[in-house]
Amino acid sequence: DAKTTQPPSMDCAEGRAANLPCNHSTISGNEYVYWYRQIHSQGPQYIIHGLKNNETNEMASLIITEDRKSSTLILPHATLRDTAVYYCIVRVVSGNQFYFGTGTSLTVIP
Amino acid sequence: KAGVTQTPRYLIKTRGQQVTLSCSPISGHRSVSWYQQTPGQGLQFLFEYFSETQRNKGNFPGRFSGRQFSNSRSEMNVSTLELGDSALYLCASSSASSSTDTQYFGPGTRLTVL
Repeated sequence: DAKTTQPPSMDCAEGRAANLPCNHSTISGNEYVYWYRQIHSQGPQYIIHGLKNNETNEMASLIITEDRKSSTLILPHATLRDTAVYYCIVRVVSGNQFYFGTGTSLTVIP
Repeated sequence: KAGVTQTPRYLIKTRGQQVTLSCSPISGHRSVSWYQQTPGQGLQFLFEYFSETQRNKGNFPGRFSGRQFSNSRSEMNVSTLELGDSALYLCASSSASSSTDTQYFGPGTRLTVL
């Protein structure tokens, strides 16, 4: 039931921006895009979410294309502690559940 | 605020037994969702409880059940355990005051079935 497609893995140099892409071409007009990350064997950690507009918080920025068919999570200055699996999720508004895909395993390299 | 807590953190059971896992949501949160995470299937939604009622259910057999108490704490039960039930069981809570409420996850319970 996952509605998103993400690359299985990515590397990023420490201190550089990490740009994680996500395709959600079948997204409906009232469905939000959420990003979570999971560090090995811990519970997923909320990062950010958005509907149409770009969003920024203390952790990351979320860029959503105008047609809403894809988005990019940006970690502006990646650190070793950002090494994790990042999940892009399209949230069904009518239900309070998330459908997790396979995510992107981000490795930050010293 | 304290985060979502789950007990126990680790559990070992044998096939055929049953198990009960517990989840305490963030104070003030009324919705509790449960997920199963396995290497083969990833993170899968089990069910959601809101105000002591099951509001949503994923595609799992009836051996998986849950309940929610008046203080919003939730338990999930798995009966007649199978080897394939070995997984990380995650609980998430949200205030559920709107359809865009963020879910906050607990650390999970690692269940091993031998």
